[in-house]
Amino acid sequence: RKEVEQDPGPFNVPEGATVAFNCTYSNSASQSFFWYRQDCRKEPKLLMSVYSSGNEDGRFTAQLNRASQYISLLIRDSKLSDSATYLCVVKGLGNEKLTFGTGTRLTIIP
Amino acid sequence: DAGITQSPRHKVTETGTPVTLRCHQTENHRYMYWYRQDPGHGLRLIHYSYGVKDTDKGEVSDGYSVSRSKTEDFLLTLESATSSQTSVYFCAISAGHGSNQPQHFGDGTRLSIL
Repeated sequence: RKEVEQDPGPFNVPEGATVAFNCTYSNSASQSFFWYRQDCRKEPKLLMSVYSSGNEDGRFTAQLNRASQYISLLIRDSKLSDSATYLCVVKGLGNEKLTFGTGTRLTIIP
Repeated sequence: DAGITQSPRHKVTETGTPVTLRCHQTENHRYMYWYRQDPGHGLRLIHYSYGVKDTDKGEVSDGYSVSRSKTEDFLLTLESATSSQTSVYFCAISAGHGSNQPQHFGDGTRLSIL
């Protein structure tokens, strides 16, 4: 089983719709969680950290469920510029190793 | 954007030749990392550094070495490049050891080994 698993997609969603991704992780000792976005042929960029109580940043909402070991990302009112690959990232306690999922590809359709 | 510069941005070379990739940061961050990204795999850690002259192996370190003689520079060397090392290489930096510290990435180096 992969340490971090994501549905690779692709998700093709009309502009203005709401879309949600899930990501599961296998190490119950994982302590920190992030969502990155990566545009085609570009570097990953931090989208948001994921906090235990859930957090929101504009149109983006991240949730963490430790009991079921998954995190989610919700995008509301999707824009064409949201088209990208979204990477789920998990970090352990006391070490610097980030474990990346293979990413979920999202395309927003006009 | 985080002050990270990778060089070269693109390189094509032949099997068996040595290759060195450079990562330069202007943020004075303690931690620096080298990853490779391949289709079907998430980013995979090659080596990382937690200070000048302090480095450690990641999950795919075979065939790679690193050096960090200054805070701002982290070099990745392929002593004798193989075709399996064709990949996109990303450098990343992080401010601290705290578990909530994210990493920020450079633009990447596209390396082709023929």
